[in-house]
Amino acid sequence: DIQMTQSPSSVSASVGDRVTITCRASQDISSWLIWYQQKPGKAPKLLIHPTSSLQSGVPSRFSGSGSGTEFTLTISSLQPEDFATYSCQQAKSFPLTFGGGTKVEI
Amino acid sequence: QLQLQESGPGLVKPSETLSLTCTVSGGSISTSSYYWGWIRQPPAKRLEWIGDIYYGGNTNYNPSLKSRITISVDTSKNQFSLKLSSVTAADTAVYYCARWSTSVGWFDPWGQGTLVTVSS
Repeated sequence: DIQMTQSPSSVSASVGDRVTITCRASQDISSWLIWYQQKPGKAPKLLIHPTSSLQSGVPSRFSGSGSGTEFTLTISSLQPEDFATYSCQQAKSFPLTFGGGTKVEI
Repeated sequence: QLQLQESGPGLVKPSETLSLTCTVSGGSISTSSYYWGWIRQPPAKRLEWIGDIYYGGNTNYNPSLKSRITISVDTSKNQFSLKLSSVTAADTAVYYCARWSTSVGWFDPWGQGTLVTVSS
């Protein structure tokens, strides 16, 4: 199985801050990396597709980069509605696996 | 707008079988390029992919659960279902259903999720 490791597990930030979250795969997954946002008590919401494409409706302050084994999600200017948990998922091979999540808190 | 909704018991006894159904509305389950998946999230833990199914019946299962899971589809009802046998407390989780894109690998949209607790 491909193991997905996120760092940090949590980050404290303020509105307007730039936040970067890292996701590392235990083996090369090319660009098959997806990012989700999840708020308490809610289902995950798709943010970024493989090849770092933003899902329709996702603000441009979100961006993704990386390939191979290291990937980043960047929020360029944190907004109040961005406080949530962010998880990565690899889609290179079965079983599909997720990272442990990064909680972005105030 | 495509929507998914999980349904099923919220409490299951140890050693019994967990059964959930996902109803798809706003679109047909009989769509090429998409599978229909189940994902779970135990309390304070990461998301775990359980498995998925194509409308034609082809399935993919997580090897860690494969011996205990069955995913089926009912195209006439626009539904797909999950059965997880011999449950233990470790199977307590929020269970989500979601559409899975075979071309880009994402899950979207997701159902709201349903908490299933395994307890006597």
